[in-house]
Amino acid sequence: GAVVSQHPSRVICKSGTSVKIECRSLDFQATTMFWYRQFPKKSLMLMATSNEGSKATYEQGVEKDKFLINHASLTLSTLTVTSAHPEDSSFYICSAREGGAGGREQYFGPGTRLTVT
Amino acid sequence: GQNIDQPTEMTATEGAIVQINCTYQTSGFNGLFWYQQHAGEAPTFLSYNVLDGLEEKGRFSSFLSRSKGYSYLLLKELQMKDSASYLCAAEDSNYQLIWGAGTKLIIKP
Repeated sequence: GAVVSQHPSRVICKSGTSVKIECRSLDFQATTMFWYRQFPKKSLMLMATSNEGSKATYEQGVEKDKFLINHASLTLSTLTVTSAHPEDSSFYICSAREGGAGGREQYFGPGTRLTVT
Repeated sequence: GQNIDQPTEMTATEGAIVQINCTYQTSGFNGLFWYQQHAGEAPTFLSYNVLDGLEEKGRFSSFLSRSKGYSYLLLKELQMKDSASYLCAAEDSNYQLIWGAGTKLIIKP
């Protein structure tokens, strides 16, 4: 099956610093990548959708200047949490969709647990 | 508005059968996904239903009724490793996934 990697798996950072999370589709080209946030015992919350080579579409309430998303190639998207605060601590998950004839299911990365101290 | 409803938690016995229901209301509808998520891990794809009816895949089956806005995931011959959260997600007309809060399934020996 399709494999999506995410790096790092865990990160602890200090308030005010920035953290970059990478999401890669390893064996397929992802026309669309999604970034989610998940709080304990809660459902996935879509933050933004990005298509290769174009600006990400952010969901209502998600600050685009705080959560910078870059989808530079068909296999890589990055999420940068800028000027992190403790309330940004969460489980961040990316997913990738091949699209077109490749199907519409989303394949998820293993997630990144961010702790801001 | 868009809404997905599924039970918060269910308990079943090892070896038994359990059915997890999901109802949805979306702006247009393209299909219904089920994902499994173990604690602390990312979701993994289980099934995708577009047409009405039952689709069987090993011990897991998924059913869809588009007219009723209803789906269920059926798990047979339950194993302890099936203890997880099961997420229902409806794909709207813009191909966006609307996620349910997930059903935590607890399997007892």
